[in-house]
Amino acid sequence: AQSVTQLGSHVSVSEGALVLLRCNYSSSVPPYLFWYVQYPNQGLQLLLKYTTGATLVKGINGFEAEFKKSETSFHLTKPSAHMSDAAEYFCASAGAGSYQLTFGKGTKLSVIP
Amino acid sequence: DSGVTQTPKHLITATGQRVTLRCSPRSGDLSVYWYQQSLDQGLQFLIQYYNGEERAKGNILERFSAQQFPDLHSELNLSSLELGDSALYFCASSVALPGTEDNSPLHFGNGTRLTVT
Repeated sequence: AQSVTQLGSHVSVSEGALVLLRCNYSSSVPPYLFWYVQYPNQGLQLLLKYTTGATLVKGINGFEAEFKKSETSFHLTKPSAHMSDAAEYFCASAGAGSYQLTFGKGTKLSVIP
Repeated sequence: DSGVTQTPKHLITATGQRVTLRCSPRSGDLSVYWYQQSLDQGLQFLIQYYNGEERAKGNILERFSAQQFPDLHSELNLSSLELGDSALYFCASSVALPGTEDNSPLHFGNGTRLTVT
């Protein structure tokens, strides 16, 4: 069974600072990996995904994530935080060919002006 | 706007009651997924339908059931409701054919917030 662990339920950064949200996965085979963002009172929106190929994945809103098989990690980064980035972020995994997502518990990002 | 429509947005009901949540997938999407989001359990996969057929079950209680109709909309039925069923229920859709190597992502609706009192 797959599992996803997000380190830190709450992360605070200053506006303009680096954003780093951590995600580790547990899977017996290379999974598909995703980051979703949830704004208050809204559904989840896909930020980026890794399936195969290039391990550095670029997403929307300036976010990117790197798949590191040796570390079983898929951390999300953004060089410079913006106030509009304040939201909850979810890392998720799925088996190859499946879109039954297993989600992490989420990390709430606060951006301090 | 993801294109996935969920109704109602909010639902307040009493313990022991039965409710139906409705989902209209994005145009052209054949797969529908239901997820439950609660504070203690996080986001949990409930069930998946593809073109009217059940394809996979996750952590769905026996008191819950779902179906996908010929027009591809889906309904999630929750019965004998308990306080612990209070949660945000999300529907998502995808064009992906299950079991194939497909890069299409899930598109989530805005959810139905169920409060059981």
